[in-house]
Amino acid sequence: DVKVTQSSRYLVKRTGEKVFLECVQDMDHENMFWYRQDPGLGLRLIYFSYDVKMKEKGDIPEGYSVSREKKERFSLILESASTNQTSMYLCASSFSQNNSPLHFGNGTRLTVT
Amino acid sequence: GEDVEQSLFLSVREGDSSVINCTYTDSSSTYLYWYKQEPGAGLQLLTYIFSNMDMKQDQRLTVLLNKKDKHLSLRIADTQTGDSAIYFCAESPQTGANNLFFGTGTRLTVIP
Repeated sequence: DVKVTQSSRYLVKRTGEKVFLECVQDMDHENMFWYRQDPGLGLRLIYFSYDVKMKEKGDIPEGYSVSREKKERFSLILESASTNQTSMYLCASSFSQNNSPLHFGNGTRLTVT
Repeated sequence: GEDVEQSLFLSVREGDSSVINCTYTDSSSTYLYWYKQEPGAGLQLLTYIFSNMDMKQDQRLTVLLNKKDKHLSLRIADTQTGDSAIYFCAESPQTGANNLFFGTGTRLTVIP
């Protein structure tokens, strides 16, 4: 069974802090994704990666960066956290074949005060 | 860009059928998906349908696709309290690195 693990379920950070959200998958998936989920807005793609050291901007990349140094790990970085980045963050992974389904982690609920 | 729309809320009585609707704009979508999110959890793939199909049935779940109207629905027969969750419709564009476009999610509440 595919396992996508997000290192924290809940995080509370202060405005201006640098925040790291970590995600690890154990199925050798080429693709990894970071979404944020907000009520009434559904899921919005922040960044995705289709290979080690490769990254592509999604729909809302502003204020975020990512790192993919190893195939199994995809990190989301908030360079200087702001209150409007309070949200649920979801990591997902998939094989590179077209239309392979996404497998999601359980999410990290980040609160920025 | 792609736009996927769903109504936000649906309430049904236990034992009734639930129908969750979704409309999308990208006519070149190849696969359409339904995901379920239970409280405090990530999204779990429920079922999917290829764009050249009209219907797919999987136990209590029936997916209907009207490609002409770009309308997708998920019917849950004999809805149970354990079906209470948020249901997301998602489409897969023909090109791209497998990212999906998600709807806003429909929160299904099953009343005992």
